[in-house]
Amino acid sequence: EVQVVESGGGLIQPGGSLRLSCAASGFTVSSNYMTWVRQAPGKGLEWVSVIYSAGSTYYADSVKGRFTFSRDNSKNTLYLQMNSLRAEDTAVYYCARDLQGSAFDIWGQGTMVTVSS
Amino acid sequence: QSALTQPASVSGSPGQSITISCKGTSSDVGAYNYVSWYQQHPGKAPKLMIYDVINRPSGVSSRFSGSKSGNTASLTISGLQAEDEADYYCSSETSSSTLYVFGTGTKVTVL
Repeated sequence: EVQVVESGGGLIQPGGSLRLSCAASGFTVSSNYMTWVRQAPGKGLEWVSVIYSAGSTYYADSVKGRFTFSRDNSKNTLYLQMNSLRAEDTAVYYCARDLQGSAFDIWGQGTMVTVSS
Repeated sequence: QSALTQPASVSGSPGQSITISCKGTSSDVGAYNYVSWYQQHPGKAPKLMIYDVINRPSGVSSRFSGSKSGNTASLTISGLQAEDEADYYCSSETSSSTLYVFGTGTKVTVL
């Protein structure tokens, strides 16, 4: 079955760091574009970051310089390292397969990140 | 990069057709045929309903159709059913540093 499963969310204080994981099965992450999308409570979807099959990464202006998207090909797993977290980063974070800019076709169930003191 | 503009809510009776608009600019919707639509039920992950403006993924009902004219894309749901009640989001690739943008979201209510 083709799926992705996110983990690593939780409650973190402002200024802290957290690493999210996204484990894929049924397809190879290194052959695909992969994306993180977040959704603040009661709000809409916001694109966060993408990693291309070649390894290039791009970020939304709101997280640039604070978040790092990486992958471990041997584990078929992706990571989102989030540093200098702010209250406005509070959201459900979804990992999704990216059809090379066309659309996001496979989504995980999401992992909740709460930034609060 | 601002979010694409969608109506906050659209409603219809069972069996009717409704259309949700998604207004962008010449830097996103108008520039690319990479408009997609997502359905999201409460507490669930988004589900891809339309990609590349008009295409339906396998398994998505033919009652869902997409179109685009200029800087505005549209999603039409025909033969509205109770299970169509959900939030819907459009998305487009952009020419800005933020590579993708989502719409503001539309709540569809089946009366």
